[in-house]
Amino acid sequence: DVKVTQSSRYLVKRTGEKVFLECVQDMDHENMFWYRQDPGLGLRLIYFSYDVKMKEKGDIPEGYSVSREKKERFSLILESASTNQTSMYLCASSNPFGFTSYEQYFGPGTRLTVT
Amino acid sequence: GENVEQHPSTLSVQEGDSAVIKCTYSDSASNYFPWYKQELGKRPQLIIDIRSNVGEKKDQRIAVTLNKTAKHFSLHITETQPEDSAVYFCAAKGRNAGGTSYGKLTFGQGTILTVHP
Repeated sequence: DVKVTQSSRYLVKRTGEKVFLECVQDMDHENMFWYRQDPGLGLRLIYFSYDVKMKEKGDIPEGYSVSREKKERFSLILESASTNQTSMYLCASSNPFGFTSYEQYFGPGTRLTVT
Repeated sequence: GENVEQHPSTLSVQEGDSAVIKCTYSDSASNYFPWYKQELGKRPQLIIDIRSNVGEKKDQRIAVTLNKTAKHFSLHITETQPEDSAVYFCAAKGRNAGGTSYGKLTFGQGTILTVHP
């Protein structure tokens, strides 16, 4: 059974703190993604990684960085959290060599509140 | 990069009616168009997808149509049921700046579908 897990469902942090969100997948997928979900804005891509230690900026990378030291784990880092980063964060993974589907499998999400 | 626009943002129907959600995309090289359903408090899950070499695909009560010339695709749900109530996202697999995609999807803004019993 496909499984993507995220380290926390709910997180409350203070402005200026460094925040780590972790995502783990057990499907041996090459691709991993970090999105933020805000009402009316859909799912916006922050960063994605197509291989270990490889990463590319998505549409809204400002204020974020990522780390992928192992294939199964993809971390999102907020270097100095700000209130406008309060959001739902979703991790996803996919197999780029899927000739029948590029389906992305999502984690349960982390609701981050920055006060 | 790819840009996906989704309409309407909210849709309210009576049980048994049909529902249609429409999306447009900008990158003519996009070749894969999935639809995800996100129930309240749950993660998005793929419900149907279509590739650019196919004009229509159906799976029981849901269908997706693609018009490559106009660069738009639609989700059709027939005989709606209360359990169809959810947020629906369309997406398109375009290309990054280097010309490859690595399976990167660009999502629409989402449609909140409410089916009234």
